[in-house]
Amino acid sequence: GNSVTQMEGPVTLSEEAFLTINCTYTATGYPSLFWYVQYPGEGLQLLLKATKADDKGSNKGFEATYRKETTSFHLEKGSVQVSDSAVYFCALGFPGGGNKLTFGTGTQLKVEL
Amino acid sequence: SQTIHQWPATLVQPVGSPLSLECTVEGTSNPNLYWYRQAAGRGLQLLFYSVGIGQISSEVPQNLSASRPQDRQFILSSKKLLLSDSGFYLCAWGTGISEAFFGQGTRLTVV
Repeated sequence: GNSVTQMEGPVTLSEEAFLTINCTYTATGYPSLFWYVQYPGEGLQLLLKATKADDKGSNKGFEATYRKETTSFHLEKGSVQVSDSAVYFCALGFPGGGNKLTFGTGTQLKVEL
Repeated sequence: SQTIHQWPATLVQPVGSPLSLECTVEGTSNPNLYWYRQAAGRGLQLLFYSVGIGQISSEVPQNLSASRPQDRQFILSSKKLLLSDSGFYLCAWGTGISEAFFGQGTRLTVV
């Protein structure tokens, strides 16, 4: 079956540090890949996505590149802010058939001054 | 633009009591609808999804059920809640070809 593996958290960084959150997936075929962000007490918001190999999704300074050869979709940001503190979820889905998303367990990011 | 409404935001219910969580979507027609649960310290688990009125698919066996009485309405129910039903419940909608869009969630505590 399909699965998504994320690095364990929490990840604690100082403001302006470089961020990488690793995500790898197992799937039959070529899924679309997503990163969602969940701020405390809220639902999930789509952060970025990529629908085919070598696509780069980007938003709010975050980037992730769809790497088919390593089945990875690592999230990066060059300089984090305190406001980036949240839980980040990597997910995959296949268009059609309901496009049910499979999520990783989430990685909590804490950014300190 | 499309919006998704989910209520209530928080709920405390005794064991054995019934449950009804409601989710409605505005600004789109015939969406795919989803119920996810996020247990403490865990990821999101898909509970139910629906591709049309009256069409419900269950992903995991459990104490819950779902119904879609109208095109843009999705209801999560239980006849008798268990302690293990506690968690954060998220409704989402999608077009079936790309990402899903989530509501604000309901924090359910069964006591």
